[in-house]
Amino acid sequence: EDKVVQSPLSLVVHEGDTVTLNCSYEVTNFRSLLWYKQEKKAPTFLFMLTSSGIEKKSGRLSSILDKKELFSILNITATQTGDSAVYLCASPGGSNYKLTFGKGTLLTVNP
Amino acid sequence: NAGVTQTPKFQVLKTGQSMTLQCAQDMNHNSMYWYRQDPGMGLRLIYYSASEGTTDKGEVPNGYNVSRLNKREFSLRLESAAPSQTSVYFCASRGTDMNTEAFFGQGTRLTVV
Repeated sequence: EDKVVQSPLSLVVHEGDTVTLNCSYEVTNFRSLLWYKQEKKAPTFLFMLTSSGIEKKSGRLSSILDKKELFSILNITATQTGDSAVYLCASPGGSNYKLTFGKGTLLTVNP
Repeated sequence: NAGVTQTPKFQVLKTGQSMTLQCAQDMNHNSMYWYRQDPGMGLRLIYYSASEGTTDKGEVPNGYNVSRLNKREFSLRLESAAPSQTSVYFCASRGTDMNTEAFFGQGTRLTVV
């Protein structure tokens, strides 16, 4: 059965800190890994990673994939209170139709 | 740009009542999904549909049924609601090109009393 495991499950930091969120996966026929941000409503898409070692970047957020060790990390630098959210990772496995999510990391950024 | 539209946004049911959650997408996506989200549990897949005419069970299908009415619409039915089905439900759709992201509806907050 496909598995996506995120750590930590929750994290509290101060504004300006840098955080690293982890996502490990075991999926058959791996194709991609997706990161989402969720703030009290529907998840919004952040990144899709398909190749090892290639960093995706958007402002203060960046993410990278390691296909050998089967994990991805999401980095947020100079955190702001608006970064407070649940961050989810997911991977489509098997036939590419079933999309499995991890439990998410609840990030709280205090002023 | 409607994207994925879910109805209703809120619903309160009594134990044993039935209801159908509706979902429609206008992005010509083949795959559609129903998830439930409970505190600390992430998104758990209830059912998914790879294409019109097919449906498959996810991690937590018990107590639910689905219908892929056509390419646009994918409904979730609770035949006899139980308090354990109190949750936030999300519908999502996704193209099945090699690597595409999923798009989500705004969610339905369901309470079963």
